[in-house]
Amino acid sequence: DGGITQSPKYLFRKEGQNVTLSCEQNLNHDAMYWYRQDPGQGLRLIYYSQIVNDFQKGDIAEGYSVSREKKESFPLTVTSAQKNPTAFYLCASSPGGRMPADTQYFGPGTRLTVL
Amino acid sequence: SQKIEQNSEALNIQEGKTATLTCNYTNYSPAYLQWYRQDPGRGPVFLLLIRENEKEKRKERLKVTFDTTLKQSLFHITASQPADSATYLCALDEGNFNKFYFGSGTKLNVKP
Repeated sequence: DGGITQSPKYLFRKEGQNVTLSCEQNLNHDAMYWYRQDPGQGLRLIYYSQIVNDFQKGDIAEGYSVSREKKESFPLTVTSAQKNPTAFYLCASSPGGRMPADTQYFGPGTRLTVL
Repeated sequence: SQKIEQNSEALNIQEGKTATLTCNYTNYSPAYLQWYRQDPGRGPVFLLLIRENEKEKRKERLKVTFDTTLKQSLFHITASQPADSATYLCALDEGNFNKFYFGSGTKLNVKP
């Protein structure tokens, strides 16, 4: 069963704690992405990676960190430096590489709530 | 500044009618424009892609137009059904390292 999995579906965190959101894909895609979605707003890009061991900051990278040690995995850490972390987090992947037009495949999302 | 605008108000239509959703953009030069469907609490699902040199694209009951002069895309669902009720997002790709920019989406409600 191919696709993107995110875990957990719901996550609760106390203020001041770091938390890591998991994202795994078995689509053999080169590119992976993390977005944040808040009510009434579009998806905002946090980080993206075009290839293993390489990643770039998106528009709202402050307070977040990522790693891309394996092609199929792109975990996101929400650090205590992120001032307003409560949101719906979406991971996506796309074939990437030299594709002229890419489409994104999204995971089911993780809803993070800071208590 | 760069903006992607979609109607923030929900679009309510009767079953069987055609739904038309709008995506306007400012200060982007998209090579491609895409439309996604998102159901509550779930990730978006890709629907259609249109290139800058294409005027129109169709897939079953869906049609997308792309006017680079007006900086606008229209998304049509013909013979709408209650199952089409969802939020629809447009996304721009400037052809730059697979980086995408999303609008905030328009919620469509199709009433039986």
